Amino acid sequence: AQSVTQPDIHITVSEGASLELRCNYSYGATPYLFWYVQSPGQGLQLLLKYFSGDTLVQGIKGFEAEFKRSQSSFNLRKPSVHWSDAAEYFCAVGRLDTGRRALTFGSGTRLQVQP
Amino acid sequence: DGGITQSPKYLFRKEGQNVTLSCEQNLNHDAMYWYRQDPGQGLRLIYYSQIVNDFQKGDIAEGYSVSREKKESFPLTVTSAQKNPTAFYLCASKPHDREVTVEQYFGPGTRLTVT
Repeated sequence: AQSVTQPDIHITVSEGASLELRCNYSYGATPYLFWYVQSPGQGLQLLLKYFSGDTLVQGIKGFEAEFKRSQSSFNLRKPSVHWSDAAEYFCAVGRLDTGRRALTFGSGTRLQVQP
Repeated sequence: DGGITQSPKYLFRKEGQNVTLSCEQNLNHDAMYWYRQDPGQGLRLIYYSQIVNDFQKGDIAEGYSVSREKKESFPLTVTSAQKNPTAFYLCASKPHDREVTVEQYFGPGTRLTVT
C-alpha cells in the first residue's frame, strides 16, 4: 500500500530565506505525486504535480519540486519565502489500488514565516 | 464562478445527534470525495463517488453515510455511531475517477464540533 511521510511537522523560516519541505513516499510502481497548500481554515489548493518526464516540476507561487526515485522523495522548494506562504503543506500520492483514484496524504508540514 | 461549496463553515452538535454536511459543486464533475482532517494526521478518505447513484467506502467509513442522488451534490451524514466526530471535513471533486493524474478540487471545509 502507498504511504507518504512528511518528517517535519513544523518549520519556521525568515522571510526571504529559502525553503525545502521534505516528502518521502512508499509505492511499488511509478508514483503520481502532488503538493497541496492549505491556508488556515480553508480547503486545499494544488501547487504542483508529477507524473512522468522531467523530474523537476514547476508550480504556482514560485514553488518547485524535484522527484528523486533513488531516494523515494519529492521535496518542495522555494528560493525566497514570502510572509503569505505561511500555511500548511501536504504531499500526496495517487492511489491505483482497488480501482480507486483517491489520494493518500502525508500528515502535513506547518510553515511559519518570520519577518 | 465554478467551484465547490460546503456549508455551514462551522457546525456544532450534541453527542448522539446525527448531522449532515453539505457539499455542492457546479464544475460538472463526475467524481466526488469526502475527507476528514485531524491535527497531525493529514487527510483520510471517508467515502467517494465515481458517478451519480454510486458510492464506495473509503478508509474510515464507519459511522458515516453518504448519498449521491444528483451529480452536483454529495452530502455526508455523521451518525451517532461515529466515536470521534469532531474534525474538519473536506469535500473534493474531479472530472472523473478514471485517471489518478487528474487534479482534485477542494471545497473550503466544514469544522464540526460535537460536545
